[in-house]
Amino acid sequence: AQSVTQPDIHITVSEGASLELRCNYSYGATPYLFWYVQSPGQGLQLLLKYFSGDTLVQGIKGFEAEFKRSQSSFNLRKPSVHWSDAAEYFCAVAHNNNDMRFGAGTRLTVKP
Amino acid sequence: KAGVTQTPRYLIKTRGQQVTLSCSPISGHRSVSWYQQTPGQGLQFLFEYFSETQRNKGNFPGRFSGRQFSNSRSEMNVSTLELGDSALYLCASTDRTSGAADTQYFGPGTRLTVL
Repeated sequence: AQSVTQPDIHITVSEGASLELRCNYSYGATPYLFWYVQSPGQGLQLLLKYFSGDTLVQGIKGFEAEFKRSQSSFNLRKPSVHWSDAAEYFCAVAHNNNDMRFGAGTRLTVKP
Repeated sequence: KAGVTQTPRYLIKTRGQQVTLSCSPISGHRSVSWYQQTPGQGLQFLFEYFSETQRNKGNFPGRFSGRQFSNSRSEMNVSTLELGDSALYLCASTDRTSGAADTQYFGPGTRLTVL
């Protein structure tokens, strides 16, 4: 069965520092991969997605993610974090049947 | 286009009661999925409806049910509420025209508290 692992439950970075959030998936074929962000009390907003093609994907708010098949990873990066990026981030994997599975999430705290 | 809307946003019920949550997808989207989000279990898939038919179902008891109307609006019902049903219930809307995994767009959620 497909699954998603986000190894870091909580990450703290200083404003202006770079960020990398890890995501590993387990799936037999190339899955469809997503990163969502959730602010407190809100729904999930799509940051970016990977279906096929170029393994480096650009998203909204200056985020990017790189699909590495050999490592079964889809890590999210941002070169310079802003205080407004503080939120919870979810990696998700889906198959053709659209049965989307989410990781446990990584909570990001941004220090001033 | 307007986004996904969910009503009500907040709900307080007592054990044993039943509750109905509503979700209106993005205009033109025919698929609606429901998720339960709790601190302990994270985001868990409940079910998906497409063209008024349940297409996929997660591992939840029969107390959780849903339906979809001809205008693609969906309702989710939980009967005989338990304390553990307290959660944020999220609805996601998908276009589903390509047949492959399409992007899901989420609503703001309904926060259900069971006392």
